[in-house]
Amino acid sequence: GESVGLHLPTLSVQEGDNSIINCAYSNSASDYFIWYKQESGKGPQFIIDIRSNMDKRQGQRVTVLLNKTVKHLSLQIAATQPGDSAVYFCAEAENFGNEKLTFGTGTRLTIIP
Amino acid sequence: DVKVTQSSRYLVKRTGEKVFLECVQDMDHENMFWYRQDPGLGLRLIYFSYDVKMKEKGDIPEGYSVSREKKERFSLILESASTNQTSMYLCASSLGGRTGELFFGEGSRLTVL
Repeated sequence: GESVGLHLPTLSVQEGDNSIINCAYSNSASDYFIWYKQESGKGPQFIIDIRSNMDKRQGQRVTVLLNKTVKHLSLQIAATQPGDSAVYFCAEAENFGNEKLTFGTGTRLTIIP
Repeated sequence: DVKVTQSSRYLVKRTGEKVFLECVQDMDHENMFWYRQDPGLGLRLIYFSYDVKMKEKGDIPEGYSVSREKKERFSLILESASTNQTSMYLCASSLGGRTGELFFGEGSRLTVL
């Protein structure tokens, strides 16, 4: 499953499939980007980050892609599991180490068994 | 593990009441933050603090104040609660100068009647 365009509110993906969550940002001065995951009843949790001098960064089952030309960020989750069901937020900052983050509105990912 | 503890998970207050939301972190982090989270609006920064007795306004400080008398504790104060302050409030902390990795508490859901 894939969400396109602006930050859509919901995305449903079959368990085991890959998911792609997209995020458009508007501040061309943003230099640092982060993805957070928020499970029901909990606070957001850091997943992965990327600086603007990179276009791709991989973690465990997750990959973040950055396209500064079109101001677009995406989070790819491989082989989704039920525990991936959550709301995912992108966040941006004007420079690395500046923890004053601007968050997106979030995308709710639902994994279908 | 970093633990950020918000003293109240659920509060119900009346319009005009003074409300205190307390947050404590146990990892000696320099930075602390208060966000509010509303459906469709994501997380918006209210106030943050880089050091004891220091505070800076975030994006939506109106109607709020904060206090940081000790490094581990950051309080959010609503001097005269209003119904439009009904929301989920999230406290976070981070180690200064590091990545954008904020550690969030589980949130305080405030309802103002």
